[in-house]
Amino acid sequence: QKEVEQNSGPLSVPEGAIASLNCTYSDRGSQSFFWYRQYSGKSPELIMSIYSNGDKEDGRFTAQLNKASQYVSLLIRDSQPSDSATYLCAVNWGFKTIFGAGTRLFVKA
Amino acid sequence: EAEVAQSPRYKITEKSQAVAFWCDPISGHATLYWYRQILGQGPELLVQFQDESVVDDSQLPKDRFSAERLKGVDSTLKIQPAELGDSAMYLCASSQAGRGGLNEQFFGPGTRLTVL
Repeated sequence: QKEVEQNSGPLSVPEGAIASLNCTYSDRGSQSFFWYRQYSGKSPELIMSIYSNGDKEDGRFTAQLNKASQYVSLLIRDSQPSDSATYLCAVNWGFKTIFGAGTRLFVKA
Repeated sequence: EAEVAQSPRYKITEKSQAVAFWCDPISGHATLYWYRQILGQGPELLVQFQDESVVDDSQLPKDRFSAERLKGVDSTLKIQPAELGDSAMYLCASSQAGRGGLNEQFFGPGTRLTVL
């Protein structure tokens, strides 16, 4: 049974701080990794994808992938109250993608 | 900007009734996904199409759920009869995967189903 695990949170950070979200996965054959942001009552929105080991930066977001340790993380720099949402990790191998349950992030003004 | 379209956005029905959801993927996206998401959980795949063919429907409750994508473009998901436990958000997503494209999935706005 392939699994994707995330801490459900809530993770609470002050405005301007760095938020760190983590995700572990069970299958070493996993190929593609995605982070989605989901506001309450809305659908998931793709914010980052990463395919190889290391860091990938896009604006205030940095995704980090370590295939040997089977984890992927998302860093949000200069966190804003508008970043308050649930962040879903998704892991793909072959034609199959599995989503984690998400981590709730609260950014306090 | 290309988007995945879904309708209706909200649906309230009584148990034992039939409901249907419609999805139109981003133009050119070969792969279409239907997910169910219960509050506090991640999306759970119900069915995945590659063009008009079903790739994965292992988690689809086939006694009451059906899905089709007859021309490989838009898709319909049906529930008959609806049960109280079917209350959830039903999400449609599409990706270029399968035609040498990326498997990044883009979601529609979803249909919030309430079964009374």
